[in-house]
Amino acid sequence: DQQVKQNSPSLSVQEGRISILNCDYTNSMFDYFLWYKKYPAEGPTFLISISSIKDKNEDGRFTVFLNKSAKHLSLHIVPSQPGDSAVYFCAASVFQTSNTGKLIFGQGTTLQVKP
Amino acid sequence: DAGVIQSPRHEVTEMGQEVTLRCKPISGHNSLFWYRQTMMRGLELLIYFNNNVPIDDSGMPEDRFSAKMPNASFSTLKIQPSEPRDSAVYFCASGTGATNEKLFFGSGTQLSVL
Repeated sequence: DQQVKQNSPSLSVQEGRISILNCDYTNSMFDYFLWYKKYPAEGPTFLISISSIKDKNEDGRFTVFLNKSAKHLSLHIVPSQPGDSAVYFCAASVFQTSNTGKLIFGQGTTLQVKP
Repeated sequence: DAGVIQSPRHEVTEMGQEVTLRCKPISGHNSLFWYRQTMMRGLELLIYFNNNVPIDDSGMPEDRFSAKMPNASFSTLKIQPSEPRDSAVYFCASGTGATNEKLFFGSGTQLSVL
């Protein structure tokens, strides 16, 4: 049972435009969400996170939006750059009961930013 | 800090052979996770440890898979016997075990079972 779902396997955008990556979750107990970026032959690296008490968190070109009623979050990258081309993973955890940092990941979305 | 260190980077083996993947977490981190990356399921959590104790191994696909953490600086994931469907990238990650955690991943082991 996939608790965190990224339904778009791939996304292609033009340099300078906005990239929007989407993620849905089914477990209403999730209250902390993260995005990781992964380049080929490397491990995933943390990008940005959001707590369920917020609906938006911004860090430079990256913004994560959370819609708890829809159990949906999205990552916006503006403006997109060729160096952003990577696989993006959405992840979730349960804050209240988790003291071990267990993260549940989605399938990933491959972003290609064309020059 | 050198980060999470995994070995080997690549492993090619024949069906039926035993495979052992190794991980050295970041010093001071007390949570360690083994993930497997596949196209269908993305990053799938196999097992995780807290203070060297296995907390949840419900993600381990079969009895052929086993994991140990004999001390705070070393963990192994063993597959015996290996099968072609085990071919995947296996990642180790570590964290401090705090809430609102972000995990730090190793570079992974690309396993190919022929």
